[in-house]
Amino acid sequence: KAGVTQTPRYLIKTRGQQVTLSCSPISGHRSVSWYQQTPGQGLQFLFEYFSETQRNKGNFPGRFSGRQFSNSRSEMNVSTLELGDSALYLCASSLDGGPTYEQYFGPGTRLTVT
Amino acid sequence: AQSVAQPEDQVNVAEGNPLTVKCTYSVSGNPYLFWYVQYPNRGLQFLLKYITGDNLVKGSYGFEAEFNKSQTSFHLKKPSALVSDSALYFCAVRLPSGSSNTGKLIFGQGTTLQVKP
Repeated sequence: KAGVTQTPRYLIKTRGQQVTLSCSPISGHRSVSWYQQTPGQGLQFLFEYFSETQRNKGNFPGRFSGRQFSNSRSEMNVSTLELGDSALYLCASSLDGGPTYEQYFGPGTRLTVT
Repeated sequence: AQSVAQPEDQVNVAEGNPLTVKCTYSVSGNPYLFWYVQYPNRGLQFLLKYITGDNLVKGSYGFEAEFNKSQTSFHLKKPSALVSDSALYFCAVRLPSGSSNTGKLIFGQGTTLQVKP
């Protein structure tokens, strides 16, 4: 089976712009979660989607949003980019959203905001 | 607040020696515990998990972890380290169903493992 794929792998944006990141989960997986990884804050949970519904949300401002499509693919959007949004954004999928299921991570999208 | 702690930023071991990467957690209820590994410029790879049952769980690449409820710990171990084990290791916890944070993985800060030849 193909793993979790994320596009693009690298992005450079300027402050004030917006960006959309894409994630394709492992075939058959219905839950998709997003995480932000930075050297200072580590790995932080952004949100989780299951069957096109946001089921959980982390402590991020409203500039961060996401959605999931009927084929389980997910996108996250960040509007009005700030320098502090520079990070590795990781997407993870799992078979279903139950807490005993391990999540499988994609390679990430490296976002640099200048 | 729910949290996971990895008290060592870096662990150094010689190849062939046993390794331990420490993890403690502070959550209410009975959490589910996970270990992930991250190689440079890669996403996280799942190593193993504890859900219930035997306190010693075995995972990928010869790793195992011991769950200790009284000490709220979940240390990662390997009997004989390899240079290729050098990477960043994350401990994580998920909360049981019914919690408002069920889907959320709470990560420790990570421990860099350096295995020297």
